[in-house]
Formats: sequence, structure tokens, C-alpha cells
Amino acid sequence: DQQVKQNSPSLSVQEGRISILNCDYTNSMFDYFLWYKKYPAEGPTFLISISSIKDKNEDGRFTVFLNKSAKHLSLHIVPSQPGDSAVYFCAAMDDKIIFGKGTRLHILP
Amino acid sequence: DAGITQSPRHKVTETGTPVTLRCHQTENHRYMYWYRQDPGHGLRLIHYSYGVKDTDKGEVSDGYSVSRSKTEDFLLTLESATSSQTSVYFCAISESMVWFEDTQYFGPGTRLTVL
Repeated sequence: DQQVKQNSPSLSVQEGRISILNCDYTNSMFDYFLWYKKYPAEGPTFLISISSIKDKNEDGRFTVFLNKSAKHLSLHIVPSQPGDSAVYFCAAMDDKIIFGKGTRLHILP
Repeated sequence: DAGITQSPRHKVTETGTPVTLRCHQTENHRYMYWYRQDPGHGLRLIHYSYGVKDTDKGEVSDGYSVSRSKTEDFLLTLESATSSQTSVYFCAISESMVWFEDTQYFGPGTRLTVL
């Protein structure tokens, strides 16, 4: 039973446009959410996080939105750049961290 | 970059053989983790450690054991490797279990193939 779901295995976005990656969760006890980015043959790297007491957190081109009533969060990348092509993992925490399956983002020239 | 190394980086082994993967950190972080990453499953926690000689099971611990005799080293052992353990294994570290002011840092990964 997946507690953290990334329903889109892949996403293609034109360079310069907005990329929106989505994540749904089932456990209302999760109180902290994170996004990790992973390039091939490398370990995941932390990107951005949000506490459940907030509904938005912004860091440069990256913004994470949290909708607790819908148990949904999203990562917005604006503008998308070629270096953003990677796999993005959503993760949620209560007393442990649980990852989604990831979404592969392709930025098209 | 956080100082985390994994060895070996690649290994091919046969079913039934023991395998040990090593994670080494130079950050003196208390918490260390082993994950496996498989297509369609994302990252799944195998075991974690919250101090020297203190370890606990994660989501997919069957078939794996761990040891932590020093702060800087966390070993993952497959006592008798099976083909289902073919995967990419990532080690991670963090200063605390509460990531509000902290995060996990991942190593480069070990690609293990069990024939």
C-alpha cells in the first residue's frame, strides 16, 4: 500500500516553461515533506522541503505547494532549464521518511 | 558535498554468496541509512542506525543485516544473495532524525547484480 504516490512516471516540458510535478499521500500524520532530485548514476540530492504548518515554500526557481485537505503537494519549476532533466522523488515524514516512486522530468530544447 | 563514500561502486556476484557493502562518512553524523532503489519502487529503506551499535529495521529488511561499530562506517550485509536483491543501494546520513532543520545526504550508490 503506497503511502506516497507519484502517479506520473515521466513528464516532458519545453525549456523556459513551467514544470509541475505532483505527489499525493495517504497518511494524515505526515508532518514534513521533501523533494529530492536524482541524476543517473548519482545519489539523490535534497531540493526543497515544506512543513505541514505551511502551504507554500519558495527557493529560487523552485516552489513547493502543500494542500493538506487534498493530501497533495506539488513542485513547480519556473523557468525550466535543461539541467532540470532528472528524476524527482517526493518524500513524506512522520517518524520515518517514505519516498514516492519518482517522476522523470525531460526538459525539451 | 557531504563526505559520503560507498564501496564497492559496482559488484557482480552469484546467488548464494555473501556480500558486504560499505558506507563511510567523514561528517560525524549520528544517523546512517541504507536504501535500495528499484524501477517502479523508488527509494525504500532497508535498515538505519541511530548510533554506534544501534540499528533498526526499515521497510524491506528481510535478507539484510547491518552493523555499525564506528560512527563513520555502516555496513550492509547480504548473508546469501538472491537475484531479487539486484538493485542500486544508496547510503545516506543525517545529523538528526528530525529533518526540520536538516536533511539527508546520499552517497553515490552501489550497483549490485546477483546472477
